[in-house]
Amino acid sequence: NAGVTQTPKFQVLKTGQSMTLQCAQDMNHNSMYWYRQDPGMGLRLIYYSASEGTTDKGEVPNGYNVSRLNKREFSLRLESAAPSQTSVYFCASSVEGSSTDTQYFGPGTRLTVL
Amino acid sequence: AQSVTQLDSHVSVSEGTPVLLRCNYSSSYSPSLFWYVQHPNKGLQLLLKYTSAATLVKGINGFEAEFKKSETSFHLTKPSAHMSDAAEYFCVVAGYSSASKIIFGSGTRLSIRP
Repeated sequence: NAGVTQTPKFQVLKTGQSMTLQCAQDMNHNSMYWYRQDPGMGLRLIYYSASEGTTDKGEVPNGYNVSRLNKREFSLRLESAAPSQTSVYFCASSVEGSSTDTQYFGPGTRLTVL
Repeated sequence: AQSVTQLDSHVSVSEGTPVLLRCNYSSSYSPSLFWYVQHPNKGLQLLLKYTSAATLVKGINGFEAEFKKSETSFHLTKPSAHMSDAAEYFCVVAGYSSASKIIFGSGTRLSIRP
């Protein structure tokens, strides 16, 4: 039982390049999330997927797109990377997406955009 | 609307002494409150959560937190710090009915002196 896995662990991009961050969970959870973590700001929600087939914007969605490929996988795409997107990205999952749910986090992807 | 404020960005204690990490929240309704811990270069892990049951919540590794509605606080405590407690701690408030309305505090870095 691996929990939540993310690939890659590290990535360096040039401004304007695109990339996709991958996330998978093996806990049969319905809800999945993408966050970014910046120094001194805690985590901010980018997008979430309450259940397979649905996605919704979070607090900071601009510049990102997501795909809930199936129940296990939730990817985050940067179409044209900008230096402001330099951050650590975390994927998380929870059973149902209710306010009382515990979220389970992946180890993160450290992204640098030059 | 809801918000969460962690009152200290950095707390340093000696090993074996008590730990107090302070968190105040604001919410228009009865909130769900969480403390998560992040060890260096790792994802976040749940320490404990309050979901309108007992106001004193016990978590993992000897941590506990008390929900005080009159003070709008949810401070995290531990009687005796251990070197392995050195980490970043996040207080989190979740919105009514949906975890997508989750708000993270900016974090408190806990250092333990030998």
